Amino acid sequence: DADVTQTPRNRITKTGKRIMLECSQTKGHDRMYWYRQDPGLGLQLIYYSFDVKDINKGEISDGYSVSRQAQAKFSLSLESAIPNQTALYFCATSDLGLDTQYFGPGTRLTVL
Amino acid sequence: RKEVEQDPGPFNVPEGATVAFNCTYSNSASQSFFWYRQDCRKEPKLLMSVYSSGNEDGRFTAQLNRASQYISLLIRDSKLSDSATYLCVVFSMGRTSGTYKYIFGTGTRLKVLA
Repeated sequence: DADVTQTPRNRITKTGKRIMLECSQTKGHDRMYWYRQDPGLGLQLIYYSFDVKDINKGEISDGYSVSRQAQAKFSLSLESAIPNQTALYFCATSDLGLDTQYFGPGTRLTVL
Repeated sequence: RKEVEQDPGPFNVPEGATVAFNCTYSNSASQSFFWYRQDCRKEPKLLMSVYSSGNEDGRFTAQLNRASQYISLLIRDSKLSDSATYLCVVFSMGRTSGTYKYIFGTGTRLKVLA
């Protein structure tokens, strides 16, 4: 079984809809991250969390919010989706003190 | 100037060839460096960390040059299965600001040809 899972894997939605992407991990890591990837732009950090009570904005947090429900769960919400949020979204985890990140399989989101 | 820059490629090489990629970074205070591999439409996976003294893992060798602010990846005896995009990643954390920055390059695409 995968250590980092994301649901859904694919989602098509309409402008203005609220969307939640979920991430779960069984690696026991404290740190979790949400990224988006666009062609030609590389991965950009949206939010990160070092523990359940610690949430931080990344480079491109506008239009997104997150919730860390437990050590193992970190969800990303788009309150009112817009077409330029169409992208591939990755969740990642890392262990305390180590910078290596482990990625989930990604969620492909299309906003029409 | 981008914080992390890579030649997007593609690098088309025959099987068995040696190929090298470079990546430059702008923040001289960067602390950690990595190479990740990403297959088409899949998640990035850690290939190797990059240490100041250079390090090798089988056919892969990574080097860090802090003075010139670049890292490199050398792949010897290329295999068809090495075809992928290679992402350079640079990490820095501000000691006073607490700013956490894990910056990904846009990747270099490698195609190994039979």
